[in-house]
Amino acid sequence: GAVVSQHPSWVICKSGTSVKIECRSLDFQATTMFWYRQFPKQSLMLMATSNEGSKATYEQGVEKDKFLINHASLTLSTLTVTSAHPEDSSFYICSARDPRGGDQPQHFGDGTRLSIL
Amino acid sequence: GESVGLHLPTLSVQEGDNSIINCAYSNSASDYFIWYKQESGKGPQFIIDIRSNMDKRQGQRVTVLLNKTVKHLSLQIAATQPGDSAVYFCAEETGGYNKLIFGAGTRLAVHP
Repeated sequence: GAVVSQHPSWVICKSGTSVKIECRSLDFQATTMFWYRQFPKQSLMLMATSNEGSKATYEQGVEKDKFLINHASLTLSTLTVTSAHPEDSSFYICSARDPRGGDQPQHFGDGTRLSIL
Repeated sequence: GESVGLHLPTLSVQEGDNSIINCAYSNSASDYFIWYKQESGKGPQFIIDIRSNMDKRQGQRVTVLLNKTVKHLSLQIAATQPGDSAVYFCAEETGGYNKLIFGAGTRLAVHP
């Protein structure tokens, strides 16, 4: 079945640094990918929709200059958390839509746990 | 029984019992709904979906019910097993690009 891979699965970094998270669709080409953020014991919140070859569409309240999204190819979207601070610590999850359709609307990665010291 | 934690309500059931997890959705224009299971440290896993032209859909040990009048979804799990312990989310597909909006979630705890 369709697989989405995220890398890294876990990252710890110092406050003020930038962190890049990758999301890859392994066996299909995804023109649309999504980025979510999940705090402990809370639901997934959609941050942005990533479209191959065009600018991402951000949800209300999400800072586009803080969370840079690049969808440069049909199998890769990246999320860069710029100048990260402790309040950016969270679980970041991506998903991808398979344009071939299938039994699921989106295929999810296993998330990246980001901890900012 | 069911209790409400700080953010995530918990449903505790005995192994072998049936579980019912409820969800209220927000957009009356949404026409596609999905239930996901999320285990600790992992991404959501698709369980079952339903379109708004249906009010019930069954899978293996799971049934989803949709009540559009009151904007309510439920997930029924038959003969609940310890492996069913996880957090369950409903999601509605809405807006451009078919984005998903997730509900608050319910933690299911299955006791032997």
